[in-house]
Amino acid sequence: GDSVTQMEGPVTLSEEAFLTINCTYTATGYPSLFWYVQYPGEGLQLLLKATKADDKGSNKGFEATYRKETTSFHLEKGSVQVSDSAVYFCALSGGYNKLIFGAGTRLAVHP
Amino acid sequence: DTAVSQTPKYLVTQMGNDKSIKCEQNLGHDTMYWYKQDSKKFLKIMFSYNNKELIINETVPNRFSPKSPDKAHLNLHINSLELGDSAVYFCASSQAPAMDEQYFGPGTRLTVT
Repeated sequence: GDSVTQMEGPVTLSEEAFLTINCTYTATGYPSLFWYVQYPGEGLQLLLKATKADDKGSNKGFEATYRKETTSFHLEKGSVQVSDSAVYFCALSGGYNKLIFGAGTRLAVHP
Repeated sequence: DTAVSQTPKYLVTQMGNDKSIKCEQNLGHDTMYWYKQDSKKFLKIMFSYNNKELIINETVPNRFSPKSPDKAHLNLHINSLELGDSAVYFCASSQAPAMDEQYFGPGTRLTVT
């Protein structure tokens, strides 16, 4: 079945460091891909998405490119801030309006 | 004005009890969902309703029964609570199809003792 694999966390970075969180997927067909973010004590919020191969999603300095050849959707940010500390979830759209999530990667940014 | 709201935010109860969690969305969306997030943050879909009709039921025990009285509400009733039911339950909504953004509620932390 469809699945999403994310790099294990936690990821700990200093402010202004470069961030990469790896995400690969297995799917039949051509799913849409998403990154959601969960700040402490809150629900998930959509960070960015891409709906077809080679699309790049971007938001708030984060970006990810839908790579069909490597079945990947890695999240990157050039310079992280303390306020980016959260749990990041990669997800794909399965059938019947279903989102399939990766296990989440906790990011901790310190000053 | 909250888009997706859930009540209660925290729920502490004993094994064997029956409890309900309520969810409401004011976004005019057609589809609503329940997700369970375990202690390791793993998030898994439980149910999905489209226009009050069940469209996804992901091998959830029969003790869990969703109910959608109208398009804006999706409640979750849990019978005979077990320790393993302790988790954070999130409600979400979207316009079909799944490539649209899903909007999540703040979550209900259920603790079964």
